[in-house]
Amino acid sequence: EADIYQTPRYLVIGTGKKITLECSQTMGHDKMYWYQQDPGMELHLIHYSYGVNSTEKGDLSSESTVSRIRTEHFPLTLESARPSHTSQYLCASSEALNVPSGYTFGSGTRLTVV
Amino acid sequence: SQQGEEDPQALSIQEGENATMNCSHKTSINNLQWYRQNSGRGLVHLILIRSNEREKHSGRLRVTLDTSKKSSSLLITASRAADTASYFCATFNQAGTALIFGKGTTLSVSS
Repeated sequence: EADIYQTPRYLVIGTGKKITLECSQTMGHDKMYWYQQDPGMELHLIHYSYGVNSTEKGDLSSESTVSRIRTEHFPLTLESARPSHTSQYLCASSEALNVPSGYTFGSGTRLTVV
Repeated sequence: SQQGEEDPQALSIQEGENATMNCSHKTSINNLQWYRQNSGRGLVHLILIRSNEREKHSGRLRVTLDTSKKSSSLLITASRAADTASYFCATFNQAGTALIFGKGTTLSVSS
């Protein structure tokens, strides 16, 4: 069972609301990632982090922001949600930079903006 | 786009048959990985094949890698209904900072 947790599992909110998607891992992994995935489609990297106080934008432009104040926690925030943000958001983590290893994924947050 | 391409997009087979999925990338492959995703869930790491390896086995999974063709294949032998899922290949982006995923193959195994 993956030791990476995402909350909420499902979220339906109105346009213009501010939301934070939570992601926590208990494995002590340095690297963490956020991917966006529309149903039946590929994953797109939107943010990643090498460690505490490190955040980078991914390959897909996103209006969201992230923070990494603690190793285990990597929340994603949308300041003003829009219907175009409706998607599934997947958080993942991996071990040290120089060791090729698989990612551990959370179960995802399915966001619907109405 | 650096995204990979899986082939076929969808595959339907009977239990006991083998399933073969292929993926190709436009950029050079760096430590290719295969993942499985059950409907609406997160991805689960299946197997990693390093750039200097040509073939790797794990249980009923067999992965091959051809770095010159920038392609890989995943073979699932003696498939089961529980293998029904989407399968994605992934390799690192050119900057080496994170994995980029293909579009996935949706496998349906009927009993």
